Amino acid sequence: GAVVSQHPSWVICKSGTSVKIECRSLDFQATTMFWYRQFPKQSLMLMATSNEGSKATYEQGVEKDKFLINHASLTLSTLTVTSAHPEDSSFYICSAPTSDQETQYFGPGTRLLVL
Amino acid sequence: AQSVAQPEDQVNVAEGNPLTVKCTYSVSGNPYLFWYVQYPNRGLQFLLKYITGDNLVKGSYGFEAEFNKSQTSFHLKKPSALVSDSALYFCAVRDRRSYIPTFGRGTSLIVHP
Repeated sequence: GAVVSQHPSWVICKSGTSVKIECRSLDFQATTMFWYRQFPKQSLMLMATSNEGSKATYEQGVEKDKFLINHASLTLSTLTVTSAHPEDSSFYICSAPTSDQETQYFGPGTRLLVL
Repeated sequence: AQSVAQPEDQVNVAEGNPLTVKCTYSVSGNPYLFWYVQYPNRGLQFLLKYITGDNLVKGSYGFEAEFNKSQTSFHLKKPSALVSDSALYFCAVRDRRSYIPTFGRGTSLIVHP
């Protein structure tokens, strides 16, 4: 199957700093990528749809100025958590659909801990 | 609107026994249905999908799922469970116009030795 990578796999930062998470499709191109947030023992919450060459589409309740998304190329999307607070601590997962849009492949996730 | 229900938070099964993880869905028109597995602190791994064709879909690691249109179900099954199958399983559905799936809340499968 298709491979999606994320970097870093985990990060610890101080409150008030910004953290950038990268999502890459390694063996296919993705004009669209998705960013999810997952709380312990809960399902995935879609945060936003990252679109190559245009602005991201944010889900209701997700602050676009807080969670900056840039889809720099057909294989790279980044999520920047700005001015991080402890409540931003979570597991962030990205995904990308294959070209036929049938199946999404997920990255391994990034664990963020804000102190 | 599309939705997925996984009625069981947790399923316990003994190693070697058959397992079933339940999923029902609601969607406009014909669905695309998916099962994913998540191991601790990892992303989701694709197991199998139903798009069209045979109602019984075979996927990775010996898992299979049966699409039942009349019952709007897509239960995940495996004839003989392994301890290593213990993980969190997510069912997902989307309609044919959208490429954004809706995920169920997940079912924790625990296989006892």
